[in-house]
Amino acid sequence: DTGVSQNPRHKITKRGQNVTFRCDPISEHNRLYWYRQTLGQGPEFLTYFQNEAQLEKSRLLSDRFSAERPKGSFSTLEIQRTEQGDSAMYLCASRRTSGGPNTGELFFGEGSRLTVL
Amino acid sequence: GEDVEQSLFLSVREGDSSVINCTYTDSSSTYLYWYKQEPGAGLQLLTYIFSNMDMKQDQRLTVLLNKKDKHLSLRIADTQTGDSAIYFCAESLSNDYKLSFGAGTTVTVRA
Repeated sequence: DTGVSQNPRHKITKRGQNVTFRCDPISEHNRLYWYRQTLGQGPEFLTYFQNEAQLEKSRLLSDRFSAERPKGSFSTLEIQRTEQGDSAMYLCASRRTSGGPNTGELFFGEGSRLTVL
Repeated sequence: GEDVEQSLFLSVREGDSSVINCTYTDSSSTYLYWYKQEPGAGLQLLTYIFSNMDMKQDQRLTVLLNKKDKHLSLRIADTQTGDSAIYFCAESLSNDYKLSFGAGTTVTVRA
């Protein structure tokens, strides 16, 4: 079991640049979630996918943010025209909704830390 | 996470028990979770409890749920230095399992 994998782990960029993060969920997990965590706070929900379908987006996800999961496996989160306020840890999580035990478990990756200068 | 509240800090002596408390507001929560986060790392799922249970024990961890008061606690027995971390309480508001997190409790274990 390789767990949820995210990359890059760290990204430093200049304001106005675009960045993309990738998440590889645990295999056979059909649900994939993106969260954002700022310093001293708990994670906040951004969006989630059921297979390849994006089912919900939080109001936190501005027009500059886009997430995809084209084949229902890995997902990407792109931030266009980054701003200093986008600096945060971006966390990916996955879970299985059926077909096995412990479907309440939501597993997180190590996160991708973004610093916008 | 304004719907989930936790105390911010807890200091405990090595070998003692730690109790971390959490209150939540949504009575329709299905699952309630405890996650551990070490510096610079992601979230590690420690344990979770289904809302129709009132207690769950897993080795050194005991979770107590009081649905009437919307209060959740995590007890860590025989606290070790490796337990020093930030502990997050979270609730799952619906079958979508979009978690709402508290701000985290920083636990410091002193020798």
